Amino acid sequence: GAGVSQSPSNKVTEKGKDVELRCDPISGHTALYWYRQSLGQGLEFLIYFQGNSAPDKSGLPSDRFSAERTGGSVSTLTIQRTQQEDSAVYLCASSISAGVDSPLHFGNGTRLTVT
Amino acid sequence: QQQVKQSPQSLIVQKGGISIINCAYENTAFDYFPWYQQFPGKGPALLIAIRPDVSEKKEGRFTISFNKSAKQFSLHIMDSQPGDSATYFCAASNSFNKFYFGSGTKLNVKP
Repeated sequence: GAGVSQSPSNKVTEKGKDVELRCDPISGHTALYWYRQSLGQGLEFLIYFQGNSAPDKSGLPSDRFSAERTGGSVSTLTIQRTQQEDSAVYLCASSISAGVDSPLHFGNGTRLTVT
Repeated sequence: QQQVKQSPQSLIVQKGGISIINCAYENTAFDYFPWYQQFPGKGPALLIAIRPDVSEKKEGRFTISFNKSAKQFSLHIMDSQPGDSATYFCAASNSFNKFYFGSGTKLNVKP
């Protein structure tokens, strides 16, 4: 079946511009996560959505970062006034539900380059 | 504070050898410990996972060893192959609410 889909796969933007990154989770998955992976580094947690509960935003690095999930499915990560240090691969993952034996399924990420 | 510490950062193994990657965690509430494999340009993919009620889990050439008292777990890749060359991440979660990842180990299996 279809996996987690992210778009665009690559995005180059100028410093100061806003960007939107999209994630289509696996159908039926109620949990959705955003992670950031800097070059050669591990995965940094950004935000977590579970069903209709309030999202866990504890990993967002600044107020320039926000995310929403519409209708419990598609999610958009928005970065306002991008900075060069925002350059990274942004990974989205989904799972069937928290508390159930379900691992994370990752998309292939969006590589963001801020010039 | 880093919740999951992973070592080594990189590893070179000859074909047929054993690759060993280690992770340590602090939070005793963690109850699920997966390992992910990532190839360049791809997202991480689940390789194998373990719960703390068992000390070892084996799937093919991949084995997780878990030491609850030491708060450590490790991935062993037996008979390592060049196709195993990838970056490996350990992770831990508390009832799947949030996954904490190690910093990754880049494995290179030489033919």
